[in-house]
Amino acid sequence: GDSVTQMEGPVTLSEEAFLTINCTYTATGYPSLFWYVQYPGEGLQLLLKATKADDKGSNKGFEATYRKETTSFHLEKGSVQVSDSAVYFCALSGGSNYKLTFGKGTLLTVNP
Amino acid sequence: GAGVSQSPSNKVTEKGKDVELRCDPISGHTALYWYRQSLGQGLEFLIYFQGNSAPDKSGLPSDRFSAERTGGSVSTLTIQRTQQEDSAVYLCASSLVGLAETQYFGPGTRLLVL
Repeated sequence: GDSVTQMEGPVTLSEEAFLTINCTYTATGYPSLFWYVQYPGEGLQLLLKATKADDKGSNKGFEATYRKETTSFHLEKGSVQVSDSAVYFCALSGGSNYKLTFGKGTLLTVNP
Repeated sequence: GAGVSQSPSNKVTEKGKDVELRCDPISGHTALYWYRQSLGQGLEFLIYFQGNSAPDKSGLPSDRFSAERTGGSVSTLTIQRTQQEDSAVYLCASSLVGLAETQYFGPGTRLLVL
């Protein structure tokens, strides 16, 4: 079945550091790929998505590129802020029911 | 516009009692999903509704769990004879139908079974 593997962390960075959170997936067919974020005390919200190979999703300075050849969707940001501290989930949607399959989540803490 | 709402936000119950969790999706969203978030298992899919039908119930962990959706809108997740391992945050999401459609999540119901 479908699965998502992401680095579990926790990841601790200083403000303005470069961020990479790795995500790889296994799926049949051609899934859509997502990054969701959960800020402290808040619900899950979509950060970015990509729906086909070589697409790049971007939002709030975050980027991820859908790499079919390496089955990856790594999240990057060039300069993190304290306000980026949150749990980040990589997910895929595939099959006829479009349900999301999530990775375990990565806790990011950014220190001033 | 209004997002996905869930009630109650928190529920504490005793082992063996039944609980009902409610989800109000975004108006016009025909797809509705229930997920469970727990420390040990992460985020798990429970059930998918397309309109009032549930073509995928594969994630329901046991026959103590059931869900329904009426009028293509509100959904209720029922857990009978609750067990301590049912303690988790239950999340509802809704979307338009399609592979690339974004699922919008509610704030969740935090269930604690004592």
